[in-house]
Amino acid sequence: GAVVSQHPSRVICKSGTSVKIECRSLDFQATTMFWYRQFPKQSLMLMATSNEGSKATYEQGVEKDKFLINHASLTLSTLTVTSAHPEDSSFYICSAWTGGNQPQHFGDGTRLSIL
Amino acid sequence: AQKVTQAQTEISVVEKEDVTLDCVYETRDTTYYLFWYKQPPSGELVFLIRRNSFDEQNEISGRYSWNFQKSTSSFNFTITASQVVDSAVYFCALSPVNNTDKLIFGTGTRLQVFP
Repeated sequence: GAVVSQHPSRVICKSGTSVKIECRSLDFQATTMFWYRQFPKQSLMLMATSNEGSKATYEQGVEKDKFLINHASLTLSTLTVTSAHPEDSSFYICSAWTGGNQPQHFGDGTRLSIL
Repeated sequence: AQKVTQAQTEISVVEKEDVTLDCVYETRDTTYYLFWYKQPPSGELVFLIRRNSFDEQNEISGRYSWNFQKSTSSFNFTITASQVVDSAVYFCALSPVNNTDKLIFGTGTRLQVFP
């Protein structure tokens, strides 16, 4: 149980392209989904928290117009990196949470490379 | 302030050796959760354990064991008889009990197990 699917697993695209990453909870409904960013050999940094049907809450220093988050249902959240540039290249990983005292369950991550 | 420190950046061992990964945390909360996650080369985060601060009992799960010492604010993780498949980055994390969606990660320890 508690499977989180993230798609695509890898994206390579040109500078200026917008990239959409999907995060799905496959066998449970997630009250909240989180988006993290991980630079090589570094820890995970929380970018934003999204609750179904409401606007995402962004962490300090994260550009909301750059990283658009949509949480359309209890099983799907999307992160769109708009007009991506090489400095946006990173590993993006989502997690899903049912609330209460349950742990977060993480997706497989998306490795984004902007040329 | 809340903080998780994993002082060991990289550890290399030979198969069948025991290895302990250190985790020291800082928090002003009286109740909190501590976690360990495994991140293999493929990138996904695998949940290993969650420990409530009220529960100071050590835990053993197969070759894994965890030593929670509240007096020293440590939550160390030991792998006995290590195997090549244990090679991964291991993250220790902290969250408040009343705000379990806020995961604060350490910087991770990269474990390499050589045959």
